[in-house]
Amino acid sequence: GAVVSQHPSRVICKSGTSVKIECRSLDFQATTMFWYRQFPKQSLMLMATSNEGSKATYEQGVEKDKFLINHASLTLSTLTVTSAHPEDSSFYICSANRATNEKLFFGSGTQLSVL
Amino acid sequence: KQEVTQIPAALSVPEGENLVLNCSFTDSAIYNLQWFRQDPGKGLTSLLLIQSSQREQTSGRLNASLDKSSGRSTLYIAASQPGDSATYLCAVKDNDMRFGAGTRLTVKP
Repeated sequence: GAVVSQHPSRVICKSGTSVKIECRSLDFQATTMFWYRQFPKQSLMLMATSNEGSKATYEQGVEKDKFLINHASLTLSTLTVTSAHPEDSSFYICSANRATNEKLFFGSGTQLSVL
Repeated sequence: KQEVTQIPAALSVPEGENLVLNCSFTDSAIYNLQWFRQDPGKGLTSLLLIQSSQREQTSGRLNASLDKSSGRSTLYIAASQPGDSATYLCAVKDNDMRFGAGTRLTVKP
């Protein structure tokens, strides 16, 4: 089956630093990738929709200048948390599918802890 | 804006019981609905995908139904096992993917 690889799985950083998270579709081309975050005991929340070759579409309340998304190829999207603060500590997950009506495959997630 | 609701928020059952998890959504114009399982601190595992034109999907002890017109889906788990303990999420796909808050299932030995 389709595989989505997300890296790193866990990162601890100091407040003020930037963290990049990679999401790769290993055996298919994904024109669209989605980024979610999940705070403890809360549901997954869509942050942004990433389209290859164009600017990402951000959900209301998500700062595009803070959460930089780059979808430079059909197999790679990156999320950069810029100037991270403790309140950005969360579980970040990416997902991708081949086509709009196909199954969505998820990365294994990245647990970000900002000290 | 699509809203997805899951009931109950938590469920505890003894091993061997059959159980039903519910998911409702407000906008019936969806491409598909997907059920996921999430273990603590981990990513998601896709369980079943139901296209908008389908009524149900089955995989092993799992059966998911979809009534698009009423905005409802159910996940039926037969003969539950302790290993089924996890949070179950439903998600609907229109132009985006929207998740419910999940049902935290505990199956007691």
